[in-house]
Amino acid sequence: GAVVSQHPSWVICKSGTSVKIECRSLDFQATTMFWYRQFPKQSLMLMATSNEGSKATYEQGVEKDKFLINHASLTLSTLTVTSAHPEDSSFYICSAPDGRAVNTEAFFGQGTRLTVV
Amino acid sequence: KQEVTQIPAALSVPEGENLVLNCSFTDSAIYNLQWFRQDPGKGLTSLLLIQSSQREQTSGRLNASLDKSSGRSTLYIAASQPGDSATYLCAVSLTQGGSEKLVFGKGMKLTVNP
Repeated sequence: GAVVSQHPSWVICKSGTSVKIECRSLDFQATTMFWYRQFPKQSLMLMATSNEGSKATYEQGVEKDKFLINHASLTLSTLTVTSAHPEDSSFYICSAPDGRAVNTEAFFGQGTRLTVV
Repeated sequence: KQEVTQIPAALSVPEGENLVLNCSFTDSAIYNLQWFRQDPGKGLTSLLLIQSSQREQTSGRLNASLDKSSGRSTLYIAASQPGDSATYLCAVSLTQGGSEKLVFGKGMKLTVNP
C-alpha cells in the first residue's frame, strides 16, 4: 500500500513552546490530509482536514490558532502546536487518502507522541 | 451523528483460535468501511477496505464482512497467532460538510497467548 511518513515519532517540549509535526506522502500526491488526536484507550478524533493550497478545515471545538496547519505541497502537511501546554500531550496521527486506490483507501503515518512538561 | 461501536473493548485468547471481531455503526449511509491494526505507540496499518457495494473482503487469514442495512461489520481472524496481538479499529467513511471523513470506533485490544 501507499506510504505516509510522519516525523518526529516522539517529542518532549517545555510548556509555552511550539512544536511542528510533519506528514509526508512518499509515493503519491495527496491534495487532502487529515490530522487526528488520540488519547489513551480512546478512539481517533479528527482535528482538521488539511487542503493543499488552501486553508485547513477544523472540526468543532478545535482551536485553529493553537493548531496551525500548513499544506504547502502535494506531499507535505505540517501541524504546529503553538504555546503548548501539558493538556496538549497526546498522540497525533496524520492520514492521507490515496486517490489511486479504489474508493480512496486511507493510509496513516506512524504517529507522534507529544509530551509537554 | 454517526457513531461506531466495537464490543468487547478487549479480548484474550489462546493461540490457534478463530476469532470474530464486531463493529457496528448507526448510519448506513457510508462510502466504505475499513479495518485497521494499531500496535502500541504506533500508527495505523490498513488491513481491509470494504466498499459500500461489497459484502466482504479477504486477505490471508483475515476476512471482513459488511452488512450496511443492519449497520454491522465483522473481522474474522483464522488460526490466531501471538503476532496478531494488537488493537483493532474499524472506521466508516462518510461525507460531512462536503468532504469525505472517517469515523472510528474505540478499538478492541486483542491478546493472543502462546
